[in-house]
Amino acid sequence: QSVLTQPPSVSGAPGQRVTISCTGSSSNIGAGFDVHWYQQLPGTAPKLLIYINNNRPSGVPDRFSGSKSGTSASLAITGLQADDEADYYCQSYDTSLSAHVFGAGTKVTVL
Amino acid sequence: EVQLLESGGGLVQPGGSLRLSCAASGFTFNNYAMSWVRQAPGKGLEWVSAIGGSGGETYYADSVKGRFTISRDNSKNTLYLQMNSLRAEDTATYYCAKESRYCRGSTCYDYFDYWGQGTLVTVSS
Repeated sequence: QSVLTQPPSVSGAPGQRVTISCTGSSSNIGAGFDVHWYQQLPGTAPKLLIYINNNRPSGVPDRFSGSKSGTSASLAITGLQADDEADYYCQSYDTSLSAHVFGAGTKVTVL
Repeated sequence: EVQLLESGGGLVQPGGSLRLSCAASGFTFNNYAMSWVRQAPGKGLEWVSAIGGSGGETYYADSVKGRFTISRDNSKNTLYLQMNSLRAEDTATYYCAKESRYCRGSTCYDYFDYWGQGTLVTVSS
């Protein structure tokens, strides 16, 4: 059972917008810890997608955006493309566990 | 260009030991904390351990505390993970990850900005 809760899967047609939620608690996101997002394409290592809630590393398209409010965060992908098919993970820090924590991951499928 | 190259994975029997290495290049290694993150087959990501830039501070997930030891050799730009008393549930791909630190006031936070390609550890008899 992951400390951060994500939906197992989301899907959308090319060009559509999808969102992935990441729900935490008062010991992680709700305690003020930031949320970071990683994209893992099939058979590859994770890659940083969004850092500190809503910042994109160089090279990440602005179709990807993040937000955080209260005990939750969200990743939005607009203009969905076939090569966005991947697993997406949120990550934060949990003060009760004294550990970095990840969500279980969300598989994005482009219909 | 930042590069992280893990090695040392393989098949080991339950109760056995293994040492993973991660060779780093493309950045000033001793300026950055590093972590190990693992992924069991078909499962999600799990943070395992972290070490400060000087090697003086180490942190572990409860699942590996007392069995795994993280270390680094800054003269060789290499990160290590010594894994002892291995269990079947330690079977996973192990990634090394560079941490990027930012601070707000007196509190600092980290995220993982670069990842290696991973090395597979299989614990089985």
